[in-house]
Amino acid sequence: AQTVTQSQPEMSVQEAETVTLSCTYDTSESNYYLFWYKQPPSRQMILVIRQEAYKQQNATENRFSVNFQKAAKSFSLKISDSQLGDTAMYFCAFMKQAFNDMRFGAGTRLTVKP
Amino acid sequence: DTEVTQTPKHLVMGMTNKKSLKCEQHMGHRAMYWYKQKAKKPPELMFVYSYEKLSINESVPSRFSPECPNSSLLNLHLHALQPEDSALYLCASRTGDPGNTIYFGEGSWLTVV
Repeated sequence: AQTVTQSQPEMSVQEAETVTLSCTYDTSESNYYLFWYKQPPSRQMILVIRQEAYKQQNATENRFSVNFQKAAKSFSLKISDSQLGDTAMYFCAFMKQAFNDMRFGAGTRLTVKP
Repeated sequence: DTEVTQTPKHLVMGMTNKKSLKCEQHMGHRAMYWYKQKAKKPPELMFVYSYEKLSINESVPSRFSPECPNSSLLNLHLHALQPEDSALYLCASRTGDPGNTIYFGEGSWLTVV
């Protein structure tokens, strides 16, 4: 079974600064997908960024980027120029290729302070 | 367009009631999901339908009964629930290869009294 670990239950960052959220996972698979989802107080799960394991290049979406270290089974999220609207719970998630199930880490609650 | 629509947004039901949650997507996705999320916890997978067939059932109690009438619709029938079943129920659908990305609806808040 795959496990996803987020070791930082809570983090805070000043507006306009950069913050990095950590995620590690455990799998014997070689092909899989990794995701970061954001869940603001409205509880809507919003896709932030995704990474295919077979791609060596780290994914980037505007202010969001990942550091994917396949050998270390690490998938961290960097948020640059943090904004108040980034305040949310962030979940790291893992999905095996050709399978349907996606599993989540426990989440990191991020607060952006003005 | 990545819209997954869930109804109702809020539901209060008694332990003897029968109710249903509905989920709809028109993106042509062929995999659909039900997740349950308790407060301050990550979503937990309940059911997965792939090409309208149940492919994953995470040992969910039989008081939860999923149904996939067609490729766009997913229902979750609720009967004889317990107060501990109160939670946010999230529906999601998945794009096919090469994307394989799951998109979520806004959720249905269920309170069992």
